[in-house]
Amino acid sequence: DGGITQSPKYLFRKEGQNVTLSCEQNLNHDAMYWYRQDPGQGLRLIYYSQIVNDFQKGDIAEGYSVSREKKESFPLTVTSAQKNPTAFYLCASSIQGEISGELFFGEGSRLTVL
Amino acid sequence: KNQVEQSPQSLIILEGKNCTLQCNYTVSPFSNLRWYKQDTGRGPVSLTIMTFSENTKSNGRYTATLDADTKQSSLHITASQLSDSASYICVVSRLSGGYNKLIFGAGTRLAVHP
Repeated sequence: DGGITQSPKYLFRKEGQNVTLSCEQNLNHDAMYWYRQDPGQGLRLIYYSQIVNDFQKGDIAEGYSVSREKKESFPLTVTSAQKNPTAFYLCASSIQGEISGELFFGEGSRLTVL
Repeated sequence: KNQVEQSPQSLIILEGKNCTLQCNYTVSPFSNLRWYKQDTGRGPVSLTIMTFSENTKSNGRYTATLDADTKQSSLHITASQLSDSASYICVVSRLSGGYNKLIFGAGTRLAVHP
C-alpha cells in the first residue's frame, strides 16, 4: 500500500543526545515536510523539501536538521541544541510544494526527553 | 497577524447527534481552507479542501462550509458515530512567495459517547 512510514513510533532520549526520526514515502511525491505538534497548539513547520538535495527551514528550525538524499526519504535529526524537544512529530508529503493542496501525513513519532 | 482560531476547544456529544465545529481565520491572502481529522496518536487525514469560490463541500457525513467574506468556516457532522471521536483541525493556506503556506488551528477535540 502507498503511504508514509514514520519510525520509531515512540522514542525516549536523554538530555544531550541527538536522535533521528525516519520518514519514508512510496507515493512518488516530490515535496516532504516535518511538523511538530504540541498540546493545545497548531502544527508548526520545522523543515520542508521540494526536491531531492534541497530543503528549507520552516518556522521553528532551530535545534533540528534534515537531509534529502533520496526522493523517498526525509529524516529529521533532533539535536541536543533543541531546548524543548518533547513533542509529537509528523512527517508529510505532497505531489508538489503545498500549492497542490493535498497533504498526506505519516502516523507520527512521539519523542520524550527523560 | 495570520491566525486560525477554532471553537469550541472540546465538545462531547451523544452518538447519533449532529454537531458543528467552527473555524475563524485572519489569513491573507487566502488560497484554500482544509479540514483534517486526527485520531489520538495518529497522523491527520484530509476531510475536505475548499477554494475561495466554493462555499460547501461534503465528504460522507461531513459537510464543510466556507464564507470567505466573513472569513469563517464550519464543519458539520451528521448522525455522529463513536468513530468520529477525534480532533478536527482547520488549516488555512496563505499565498506566500509563490507557494502556499499552511497555518494550522489548534483543533477541536470531539468525544462521541454511546
